[in-house]
Amino acid sequence: DAGVIQSPRHEVTEMGQEVTLRCKPISGHNSLFWYRQTMMRGLELLIYFNNNVPIDDSGMPEDRFSAKMPNASFSTLKIQPSEPRDSAVYFCASSNSPINIQYFGAGTRLSVL
Amino acid sequence: QQQVKQSPQSLIVQKGGISIINCAYENTAFDYFPWYQQFPGKGPALLIAIRPDVSEKKEGRFTISFNKSAKQFSLHIMDSQPGDSATYFCAASMGNNDMRFGAGTRLTVKP
Repeated sequence: DAGVIQSPRHEVTEMGQEVTLRCKPISGHNSLFWYRQTMMRGLELLIYFNNNVPIDDSGMPEDRFSAKMPNASFSTLKIQPSEPRDSAVYFCASSNSPINIQYFGAGTRLSVL
Repeated sequence: QQQVKQSPQSLIVQKGGISIINCAYENTAFDYFPWYQQFPGKGPALLIAIRPDVSEKKEGRFTISFNKSAKQFSLHIMDSQPGDSATYFCAASMGNNDMRFGAGTRLTVKP
């Protein structure tokens, strides 16, 4: 299995632009998670889906952030408009509930100038 | 919102020494306590995990010690090697897949 696949690996954009991060979970997994990692705040859970349905989005920092999972093999995290403080590494992870082991992708390093 | 507190923030150990990282949690509903290892440029990967019905779990050089009454658990790395140099995260979840991570410990093992 290829594992969790995230794209792009690196994204550099200017403040105010729309950013879309993509994730392909491991085939057969029914839960998907989006995390943000920064030096200051560590690893933060933004949102997670179970069977393509958003379960908890309380970690989404503000309305500029949105996430979708249109099917079991694809999810997006969108930031519109982006701001410099959004610069971070964004990870996607998937698991096969009820087994709690989460498998992480390699992450997308976002830089907003 | 920090439900899992991890210490120390960084740790330097000599090769062959024992690395110890500690975590404390608040929510007694947590029932799964994993440790993740993260190398630079990579995502975290599961290292070892424990459930609260046991007090210790060992896998090779890695051991989790769990103290339910104190709401604490720790990771011990025996015979630490330079290849163990990474950031380690403790975490806790309560069966609904909502996992809370500690702040991370950057471990450096010097040769």
